[in-house]
Amino acid sequence: GENVEQHPSTLSVQEGDSAVIKCTYSDSASNYFPWYKQELGKGPQLIIDIRSNVGEKKDQRIAVTLNKTAKHFSLHITETQPEDSAVYFCAASFNNRLAFGKGNQVVVIP
Amino acid sequence: DVKVTQSSRYLVKRTGEKVFLECVQDMDHENMFWYRQDPGLGLRLIYFSYDVKMKEKGDIPEGYSVSREKKERFSLILESASTNQTSMYLCASSSQQGAGTEAFFGQGTRLTVV
Repeated sequence: GENVEQHPSTLSVQEGDSAVIKCTYSDSASNYFPWYKQELGKGPQLIIDIRSNVGEKKDQRIAVTLNKTAKHFSLHITETQPEDSAVYFCAASFNNRLAFGKGNQVVVIP
Repeated sequence: DVKVTQSSRYLVKRTGEKVFLECVQDMDHENMFWYRQDPGLGLRLIYFSYDVKMKEKGDIPEGYSVSREKKERFSLILESASTNQTSMYLCASSSQQGAGTEAFFGQGTRLTVV
């Protein structure tokens, strides 16, 4: 099956700085890579996703890049704000399901 | 607005009890999933279903079963609850259209087994 690894496990950034979370996956057949944000007491919510025919996608302050050859993809958050503090999960698709990384706790320091 | 609703936010059950966690989605999705979330372990798939009356084991099915009698409802059953099943349980659903689609999550049920 698919194995998704996510680094680092925790990340602290100063407000206004950028944050980058990296994920690797093992199954070269995976073709859909979403990122989820989970705030305290809530279920994960999709914030951005990318498909394998695209190398980069951007939505305001967040962007995702995908390197299919190296089997890794990254989430970039620019101009971080306190409301960006949350747990972020990456995932990769296989067999009509998603395999998730273990999550990354991002703390934005005001 | 799309919605996945889990029947309880918090549950406390005794060891050995039979526990039912219910999940309902209103998006006419074919796929439904049950995950458990534990600190440092991320989201682990327990069971999933591609269609009514159909189920597949995920990565950690031991001690659990599921039921999908209607398309919109997917139930997780703990046959005999144990303390190591204390966890956050998340239900999700997704469409089968296309290769890889967004999964929508419920708000989670925090289960404590005492």
